[in-house]
Amino acid sequence: GENVEQHPSTLSVQEGDSAVIKCTYSDSASNYFPWYKQELGKRPQLIIDIRSNVGEKKDQRIAVTLNKTAKHFSLHITETQPEDSAVYFCAPVLSGGSYIPTFGRGTSLIVHP
Amino acid sequence: NAGVTQTPKFQVLKTGQSMTLQCAQDMNHEYMSWYRQDPGMGLRLIHYSVGAGITDQGEVPNGYNVSRSTTEDFPLRLLSAAPSQTSVYFCASSRGSGQPQHFGDGTRLSIL
Repeated sequence: GENVEQHPSTLSVQEGDSAVIKCTYSDSASNYFPWYKQELGKRPQLIIDIRSNVGEKKDQRIAVTLNKTAKHFSLHITETQPEDSAVYFCAPVLSGGSYIPTFGRGTSLIVHP
Repeated sequence: NAGVTQTPKFQVLKTGQSMTLQCAQDMNHEYMSWYRQDPGMGLRLIHYSVGAGITDQGEVPNGYNVSRSTTEDFPLRLLSAAPSQTSVYFCASSRGSGQPQHFGDGTRLSIL
């Protein structure tokens, strides 16, 4: 969507490294910030989400951080593994309009063994 | 629960033909939506529904129609297929705004 930008578009790391993907959105009233993972040929699946009253959330090797003032949130993956290779999408719910998530264009993460 | 079920999984059409992509969910979700996915473009919203009897347009609605006569079903109709509609189509449902989206397996559609 035009109000959501995701960087980088491609990220290549060595197994065991950390990976960070950033999502910038335009709507200061957004209140729900999810990340989805899509493996090749599969459906997107939610991996982690955060709501506007929380700054950081962790689930094992993945975490999401939110900076509402700067209007961005980031996905952090530590100790990357080859099975983390996929396309990752941020999909904030923007307050004006559809109430349906607006997806970024995706980040292709490649983890080299 | 089966979750979100899409049919067919693959379809090839000729330009000008019409068809309906089916989507059904068994989670009693109010929100349902259709996306198309093209390389490098992410998922773009075509149409969505926030409840039975209510539909609205998304980012790329032209050439598509939807209806929501029941909570479970949300079919997407291509009125007159064009090569530009070659894409992978995903249906999704959620309990409401600000809730996780549950996706179907997708329909890969080719228009010749």
